[in-house]
Amino acid sequence: NAGVTQTPKFQVLKTGQSMTLQCAQDMNHNSMYWYRQDPGMGLRLIYYSASEGTTDKGEVPNGYNVSRLNKREFSLRLESAAPSQTSVYFCASSEKGRGEKLFFGSGTQLSVL
Amino acid sequence: QKEVEQNSGPLSVPEGAIASLNCTYSDRVSQSFFWYRQYSGKSPELIMSIYSNGDKEDGRFTAQLNKASQYVSLLIRDSQPSDSATYLCAALGSGTYKYIFGTGTRLKVLA
Repeated sequence: NAGVTQTPKFQVLKTGQSMTLQCAQDMNHNSMYWYRQDPGMGLRLIYYSASEGTTDKGEVPNGYNVSRLNKREFSLRLESAAPSQTSVYFCASSEKGRGEKLFFGSGTQLSVL
Repeated sequence: QKEVEQNSGPLSVPEGAIASLNCTYSDRVSQSFFWYRQYSGKSPELIMSIYSNGDKEDGRFTAQLNKASQYVSLLIRDSQPSDSATYLCAALGSGTYKYIFGTGTRLKVLA
């Protein structure tokens, strides 16, 4: 049971570089989410996808783009990384998205220098 | 007011005591609430969910929802050092698929 798989686990970027964080779930879940977690800030929603083919902005979408490639995969792209994007990123999924448990990936520690 | 608010702590309790964690919410969230536990360096995991007014018990954990006062609580009975973690309160945004988290309360159970 892989659950939610995120890659990479660690990444160091220079300011202005781009990268894509990958997320895949094998639970046939409809909804997928990207959160960032900073000290003292809790989990803040970046983008989410209620179902395949749809994406919506969360609380902190600026500087990010997402793609719901298919039902399994939901990627997060940083086009031009900034030091303010240094954070731990979590991908999550839920079966139906409303009122149901979130399953989290193991996280990506991203540092932007 | 933020949609979901928690005291960041740390909350320190002796082993065997009851730990009480609280969370308040605004009118911008729906009536679905969740408590997640997060160990340092790990991802959050669900402990309890509660949707109706009143108490819901699961082992040593009890979630309480008071809609009139707009707060949700998590009680941990017979606290153990292994309960030391950050506890995140979450709610579903009204009419959305967005799960909104509080900033988390760090709990320390002292042996």
